[in-house]
Amino acid sequence: GQQLNQSPQSMFIQEGEDVSMNCTSSSIFNTWLWYKQEPGEGPVLLIALYKAGELTSNGRLTAQFGITRKDSFLNISASIPSDVGIYFCAGLQGGSEKLVFGKGTKLTVNP
Amino acid sequence: DTAVSQTPKYLVTQMGNDKSIKCEQNLGHDTMYWYKQDSKKFLKIMFSYNNKELIINETVPNRFSPKSPDKAHLNLHINSLELGDSAVYFCASSQTGPTGYNEQFFGPGTRLTVL
Repeated sequence: GQQLNQSPQSMFIQEGEDVSMNCTSSSIFNTWLWYKQEPGEGPVLLIALYKAGELTSNGRLTAQFGITRKDSFLNISASIPSDVGIYFCAGLQGGSEKLVFGKGTKLTVNP
Repeated sequence: DTAVSQTPKYLVTQMGNDKSIKCEQNLGHDTMYWYKQDSKKFLKIMFSYNNKELIINETVPNRFSPKSPDKAHLNLHINSLELGDSAVYFCASSQTGPTGYNEQFFGPGTRLTVL
């Protein structure tokens, strides 16, 4: 099946630092999504991207839909301890209801 | 007010047993899903129902049988449990719309441990 390559696998940063993670695929996706999962909880949608080249912000989070439609990145600025969790990219291909997830980036923020 | 709820939260059982996980959503959504998250946190869709009709059925052993008695409920029954079934199972729901992505709201997960 389709796969999304998400990197890095994990990040250990100091509070206040900026964070960047990305997702790539060999296939085209029509929608890119970024989710956050906290321990013991289900994923929660952070940002949805619908158009190639689109840049969308949600507070300190910014995500972009790659122009080739095969990649996306998520930036978190000025990280805080509550940013800890696992961040997943996910994609939807045209005509499909099936979300394909990346393997996640585990973020640890040291106060 | 819980949007998507699952029971039980934790399930520990022996190999070979049959077990069920229940999911309910009070969002009025018409589509519900089951996902499996393995020990490496990889999330993969298993099934999806729209208005009680199965629309996504991934390559899942037929020991797994979803049942949707109504739009607000989607249960997952697993027969003859195996060690490899140990995982966290997430239910999700969404509302079909005319265009764009229909956000999926996830439940808190059910951690299944097969001994």
